[in-house]
Amino acid sequence: DTAVSQTPKYLVTQMGNDKSIKCEQNLGHDTMYWYKQDSKKFLKIMFSYNNKELIINETVPNRFSPKSPDKAHLNLHINSLELGDSAVYFCASSPAPRNIQYFGAGTRLSVL
Amino acid sequence: GQQLNQSPQSMFIQEGEDVSMNCTSSSIFNTWLWYKQDPGEGPVLLIALYKAGELTSNGRLTAQFGITRKDSFLNISASIPSDVGIYFCAGQLGSEKLVFGKGTKLTVNP
Repeated sequence: DTAVSQTPKYLVTQMGNDKSIKCEQNLGHDTMYWYKQDSKKFLKIMFSYNNKELIINETVPNRFSPKSPDKAHLNLHINSLELGDSAVYFCASSPAPRNIQYFGAGTRLSVL
Repeated sequence: GQQLNQSPQSMFIQEGEDVSMNCTSSSIFNTWLWYKQDPGEGPVLLIALYKAGELTSNGRLTAQFGITRKDSFLNISASIPSDVGIYFCAGQLGSEKLVFGKGTKLTVNP
């Protein structure tokens, strides 16, 4: 029943590893997003896809690579994880780029 | 880039009190949104505002879109313990990215 679901909810890993976070939405939305929330709770957009095409790409290290296999999925792969990557990552979706965004429950990533 | 100034940063109130928080921007938006985030969860939309001067209510919550399009406020009346959480404002211009404020952390003492 969950509208925007992310897996895993928690991810603990070592520096230098590669990891992926998955996101799926069952709302029939065309647009999906990845946000990063730091320890001070500041939410900042990383990427946005509309109909599987990248439309927003903020200044994010190229170790972060989003992939949208279809409109309902937007995955985030992170290479060579660093300590500073520790944060909560939120997936969101909206019917179109200018519409209200609905958020997943977040993935808490801890890099040791 | 665009930044939203959200204040206050945190509030400690007694149950039953009213709460007010606001956001200001140096640039205009044509959509203002207010979200609430509970611990361990993602932000959930409370109120959406689409027109300058618009005043919208959702139960005990009331929000307004400033006439200059550069500010918005959120009021919560007769607060209850479950109002605890972090409240975020967000502004959007057209189909550009959503810009979030830094949040107001609300604590309600029973």
